[in-house]
Amino acid sequence: KAGVTQTPRYLIKTRGQQVTLSCSPISGHRSVSWYQQTPGQGLQFLFEYFSETQRNKGNFPGRFSGRQFSNSRSEMNVSTLELGDSALYLCASSSQGVGQETQYFGPGTRLLVL
Amino acid sequence: GENVEQHPSTLSVQEGDSAVIKCTYSDSASNYFPWYKQELGKGPQLIIDIRSNVGEKKDQRIAVTLNKTAKHFSLHITETQPEDSAVYFCAAGDNYGQNFVFGPGTRLSVLP
Repeated sequence: KAGVTQTPRYLIKTRGQQVTLSCSPISGHRSVSWYQQTPGQGLQFLFEYFSETQRNKGNFPGRFSGRQFSNSRSEMNVSTLELGDSALYLCASSSQGVGQETQYFGPGTRLLVL
Repeated sequence: GENVEQHPSTLSVQEGDSAVIKCTYSDSASNYFPWYKQELGKGPQLIIDIRSNVGEKKDQRIAVTLNKTAKHFSLHITETQPEDSAVYFCAAGDNYGQNFVFGPGTRLSVLP
């Protein structure tokens, strides 16, 4: 089985722009979760989508949003980028969801905001 | 919400020795405790997990123990090898993914 894939792998944006990141889960997995990883804050949960519905949400501002398509692929959008949004954004997929089944992480998208 | 502390932040051991990483959590509702290994340039990989109805779980050289009363859980790696060198994260949450929080990580170096 192919693993979780994320595109693009690297991205450079400027403050005020918006960005969309994509995640393709393992075939058959219905849950996709997104995480932000920074040296200062560590790994932080953004949100989880299951069967096209947001099921859980972390403590991030409304500039961070996501969606999931009928084929379980998910996108994450960050609007009005700030310097502090520079981070590695990871997605993870599982068959049943966070806390219920093993999550498999993708390699991440490294976002740099200038 | 949940708060997870992890110690030590860095750990160096000689090849063949054991390594122990400890985590404490604050929310008594948490009942799922996974451990992840993250190598450079890769996403985290689940290495072992434990649920609150179990006190200990073992998988070859890796074991996790859980003390729900004291709200702490530990990762034990025996017979360490250089390929065990990585950053290890603990996490805590419930079965529904609520309040899923990671610890700050431990950088483990296994010296040959």
